[in-house]
Formats: sequence, C-alpha cells, structure tokens
Amino acid sequence: QKEVEQNSGPLSVPEGAIASLNCTYSDRGSQSFFWYRQYSGKSPELIMSIYSNGDKEDGRFTAQLNKASQYVSLLIRDSQPSDSATYLCAVNYGAGGTSYGKLTFGQGTILTVHP
Amino acid sequence: DAGVTQSPTHLIKTRGQQVTLRCSPKSGHDTVSWYQQALGQGPQFIFQYYEEEERQRGNFPDRFSGHQFPNYSSELNVNALLLGDSALYLCASSPRPGYYNEQFFGPGTRLTVL
Repeated sequence: QKEVEQNSGPLSVPEGAIASLNCTYSDRGSQSFFWYRQYSGKSPELIMSIYSNGDKEDGRFTAQLNKASQYVSLLIRDSQPSDSATYLCAVNYGAGGTSYGKLTFGQGTILTVHP
Repeated sequence: DAGVTQSPTHLIKTRGQQVTLRCSPKSGHDTVSWYQQALGQGPQFIFQYYEEEERQRGNFPDRFSGHQFPNYSSELNVNALLLGDSALYLCASSPRPGYYNEQFFGPGTRLTVL
C-alpha cells in the first residue's frame, strides 16, 4: 500500500512568519510530487510541483525534495492570513509505467495564519 | 481560457439510486481523472480516462464506472448508492497521462446520499 503522510496539524503561525509543511512517502519509485492548496468548501488548487532533488522556488513558496529520505516539504515565506487553508501533498507513483497519472494524496495539513 | 468544469454543483440522492456526474477538461487537455474526497480526507483516485479508455483504476467497486467522449469530456456513474458514497467528487485534467503531468481540478460535485 503506497502511502503519503503529512505532519499532523493544525499548524498555526503568525502573519509574516515562515510556515513549514512536511510530507513523507513510502515508495522510492515515486517520480513527481505536488502541493495543492484547498480552501474550505473549494476544490484543490495546484501551487507547486517538483520532480528533482533540491529546492524549487515560486514567489513566496519553496518546495524541497529529498528522494533519499523520501521527504518533500513546502515552505511559505511571509505568511498571510489568505494562506490559511488545507495543504495537500500528492505523489505520482511511477512504478513501471502502470501507475502514471494516479495521484496519491496525504490527509492534508490545516494551516492558520493569524494577524 | 476555460478551466475544468463540472456539473452539477450539488446533488442529493437516496440509497439505491444511480447518479451521473459530468466533467469537461481544461482546453488542450485530453486526460481526465476522477477522485473522491470524503470530509477531512485527501482525495482518493477512482480512475483515469485517456483516448476514451479507462487506463487506471483505484480501489473502488464496480458500482463506479465512467466514460470518456471524443471531445475528451467525461462522465462518472455510480450505481446502487450507499450512504458512504456521500463525498465531494473531483475531476482533474492533464495534457496527457504521464509521470510528470500536472493535474488541475474542477470545482467538484458535492453528492449527498440520504
């Protein structure tokens, strides 16, 4: 059973702080990793994708991937109240080409940014 | 550029009934995946359609079936509804199936089974 685990929340940070969201996955064959943001009552919105070890930055967001440790994280700098949402980590397990396109999600971490 | 669209937005059914949900992918996308999201959980993969064929399937019973049309739009059908089928049903589209392709979600259909 391929699993994706996210750090238990909820996570509360003050406005302007760095929010750190973490995710581990069970299968070393994983090929691609995604972070989605989901506001209450809405659908998931893709905010970051990462495929290679290291960091990837997009505005206030930085995704970090360490395939050896089977770990992916999302940092949100200068957190704003509008960042308050559930953050979902998703992994695309690419086992021999038979699992392509299937995303396995973690349970999500609720982030609250307070003024 | 229209994103992924889904209909209806909300649906209320009773146990034992059948339901059909619809999805139109983002312009330029030809692959559609369906997910079920229960309250407080991450989405769970149901199946994926590409070139009008089901390419992958998650751990869902045969009561869940689908179809993809030549214009790439898709339907999800659920027969013999159970109370546990109450969830948000999400459609996601991508340019083509593959390890790296990003998937973009529609607004979802909220299904309530009474």
